[in-house]
Amino acid sequence: ETGVTQSPTHLIKTRGQQVTLRCSSQSGHNTVSWYQQALGQGPQFIFQYYREEENGRGNFPPRFSGLQFPNYSSELNVNALELDDSALYLCASSLGQGIETQYFGPGTRLLVL
Amino acid sequence: KQEVTQIPAALSVPEGENLVLNCSFTDSAIYNLQWFRQDPGKGLTSLLLIQSSQREQTSGRLNASLDKSSGRSTLYIAASQPGDSATYLCAVMTAGAGSYQLTFGKGTKLSVIP
Repeated sequence: ETGVTQSPTHLIKTRGQQVTLRCSSQSGHNTVSWYQQALGQGPQFIFQYYREEENGRGNFPPRFSGLQFPNYSSELNVNALELDDSALYLCASSLGQGIETQYFGPGTRLLVL
Repeated sequence: KQEVTQIPAALSVPEGENLVLNCSFTDSAIYNLQWFRQDPGKGLTSLLLIQSSQREQTSGRLNASLDKSSGRSTLYIAASQPGDSATYLCAVMTAGAGSYQLTFGKGTKLSVIP
């Protein structure tokens, strides 16, 4: 059984650009959640996908969007990057719309200059 | 809006000591509570999950308790080791509009001195 993987591990972008982060769920998990962790803070919920549909969103603007594919892998897209988007982005996979234990990937560190 | 607070923000102890990390939350309508460990620049490792109907969970040297009515949880680490040095995060699971999401505290940074 493979764990949750994310790519890339690190990324540097400039303000105004667009970025796509990828997550491969743990085998058999049908739910993926994305979190943003700024330096020195706890992770904050961005949104969740269940069976390819977004089924919950935190307090993040529409320029944060996502996709979940039939194999349950997922993408997080951020448009019009701002300096405050610099953070560690974590994805977590689980069963049952997220109520079961959420297993986290290693994260993608995004730096916006 | 659910808020999670962790005290202390940082803790330094000599090797071998027993220690307690505290977590409080404002809304008792939770499904479960999880304790995570995070090493610098890394992802989260789940340590313990307590369902809302449970009072405590144990794994090795770790014991977590939950008092849902008072909005409190503690993580007890016995016989601390330098390898326990990390940031410990507490998170509660609540239901949003169609999803179950975790709300995290800011963490307690633990340093165990050899």
